[in-house]
Amino acid sequence: QQPVQSPQAVILREGEDAVINCSSSKALYSVHWYRQKHGEAPVFLMILLKGGEQKGHEKISASFNEKKQQSSLYLTASQLSYSGTYFCGTAPGAGSYQLTFGKGTKLSVIP
Amino acid sequence: EAGVAQSPRYKIIEKRQSVAFWCNPISGHATLYWYQQILGQGPKLLIQFQNNGVVDDSQLPKDRFSAERLKGVDSTLKIQPAKLEDSAVYLCASHRGTRGGYTFGSGTRLTVV
Repeated sequence: QQPVQSPQAVILREGEDAVINCSSSKALYSVHWYRQKHGEAPVFLMILLKGGEQKGHEKISASFNEKKQQSSLYLTASQLSYSGTYFCGTAPGAGSYQLTFGKGTKLSVIP
Repeated sequence: EAGVAQSPRYKIIEKRQSVAFWCNPISGHATLYWYQQILGQGPKLLIQFQNNGVVDDSQLPKDRFSAERLKGVDSTLKIQPAKLEDSAVYLCASHRGTRGGYTFGSGTRLTVV
């Protein structure tokens, strides 16, 4: 079942923060986050595994609450390069990396 | 390391024609996926290979789509005959099979007219 992402779209000014949410009606083992720029392939950002793990890369971090079957992506002090569509992909079981992707959140960062 | 190679980059065909896409994954990546991405949507899984065996093709419209992965390396995805609703970007992704993300190819943008 496809995870639900919110919001569908967000516009930020440089330096502002944003949160993108991903929720599933099914139990999750792992959540992947990808960013896709227009006309390009999705690029892997990070993976979170069952256990409430929180990971980060520079000013982008994420959390995973398996009890609530939710993950959130946090973008801090956004830069123009953060613009793109963010997808979460969910996998139901240990050792399964077959992902079901959400519809995406389009993030636009303006000067 | 070299990325996932896909060709062609773009393809325009008339409905009822056939088309084939090619993918060469990252060397050593046992798992290969084909996804269909319709404009404005997230990628939708079509088929998953583990080496040269099919793991899951439950979402592949088998009356018109077929895929193979010979010798556990390159893969081809074929559509015959194409319908207007097949217009989409077809993404190939490979995965090492351990913790870590997919590496996607640049995709093939198919337009059926």
